Amino acid sequence: DAGVIQSPRHEVTEMGQEVTLRCKPISGHDYLFWYRQTMMRGLELLIYFNNNVPIDDSGMPEDRFSAKMPNASFSTLKIQPSEPRDSAVYFCASRGTSGGYEQYFGPGTRLTVT
Amino acid sequence: RKEVEQDPGPFNVPEGATVAFNCTYSNSASQSFFWYRQDCRKEPKLLMSVYSSGNEDGRFTAQLNRASQYISLLIRDSKLSDSATYLCAVNIGTNAGKSTFGDGTTLTVKP
Repeated sequence: DAGVIQSPRHEVTEMGQEVTLRCKPISGHDYLFWYRQTMMRGLELLIYFNNNVPIDDSGMPEDRFSAKMPNASFSTLKIQPSEPRDSAVYFCASRGTSGGYEQYFGPGTRLTVT
Repeated sequence: RKEVEQDPGPFNVPEGATVAFNCTYSNSASQSFFWYRQDCRKEPKLLMSVYSSGNEDGRFTAQLNRASQYISLLIRDSKLSDSATYLCAVNIGTNAGKSTFGDGTTLTVKP
């Protein structure tokens, strides 16, 4: 079975540019999470969706960040305009409703903003 | 105070040693508990769910202490391949939509 798919795996961009990160959750999973990980702040939850609806976006750092989930198999996280302090690894994760609450992470997108 | 706290380590142990990590949580309404393993430059992967009665998977044992609000992970006969960062995660409430992660404990197993 395919796991969570993220693209791109690496992104290098200049300050001020728009960045779009993409995620395809595991088929049948109805929760999707976006995280950011840095050495200084650890793994931070940015936003999560249930059945394509944003449930909690309290972790989104500021208005420059936005996330959408137009359907059950696709989500985007957009940063506009990007800043050097946005440099981090961004993970997408998904989980189902039945069984336990464990999450399955994608390989991440390593973002560098210069 | 953070909702989930871990000793960052690093823990440096020789092969074959037994090592234990603790993770404390602040919210008594926490319902589900997990240990994830994260290798360098990789994504976190579920290692174990932690059940009320404690559970074991090979060399790994996880335990929950609700009274003191912590979970533990014990690794016996540690291998070089156990070197990684171990993250604990806690879900709060019956719906338990999201997990709150600790900052992780780094383990290095040396020959």
